[in-house]
Amino acid sequence: SQQGEEDPQALSIQEGENATMNCSYKTSINNLQWYRQNSGRGLVHLILIRSNEREKHSGRLRVTLDTSKKSSSLLITASRAADTASYFCATDAEGAQKLVFGQGTRLTINP
Amino acid sequence: GAVVSQHPSRVICKSGTSVKIECRSLDFQATTMFWYRQFPKQSLMLMATSNEGSKATYEQGVEKDKFLINHASLTLSTLTVTSAHPEDSSFYICSARVPRPNSPLHFGNGTRLTVT
Repeated sequence: SQQGEEDPQALSIQEGENATMNCSYKTSINNLQWYRQNSGRGLVHLILIRSNEREKHSGRLRVTLDTSKKSSSLLITASRAADTASYFCATDAEGAQKLVFGQGTRLTINP
Repeated sequence: GAVVSQHPSRVICKSGTSVKIECRSLDFQATTMFWYRQFPKQSLMLMATSNEGSKATYEQGVEKDKFLINHASLTLSTLTVTSAHPEDSSFYICSARVPRPNSPLHFGNGTRLTVT
């Protein structure tokens, strides 16, 4: 079952603006991961944040994790048209072998 | 980096036929691979977990006789959609992890199956 809830479901912004996506989950986790999917393609791993971490950066990406609220956010700064894609969070639950994916946010960057 | 190759990328078949999709880990050994199904504009639905040398673990509601999974080696898992029907048309994606703690999933590029 999908435990992740993401919002917004769709986001459209102008190039150069920042994009923020949120993810909430229900169970205890080992880590939370963000993935990107271009239309008709497989998913690409972006960043992993462990349960004992609160914030992580990778290039223009910034991820936060609040385990008390069971939520995470992904911030993409200085967005580019090439960032247009769907973004999914996935939780790696304690004791589980599989990842559980959220519903995803469809991000459109307008040039 | 770890690479997962999935083949074919697209397949069109007639109702009643079977289709095999291959998933290979190219530069690492994967004792476990995962098969997902994705409907348009929706998230990934885990179908089954493929375990090398043993039976796959299917998610609730997924017909094991319909979706046959074989994981005969540490680098290859196959998904066979048997007696395909139009409702089986979908995007199927496989993934695998490098076997170490807190490792991410590496995905194939997916297979677009169309059953006519």
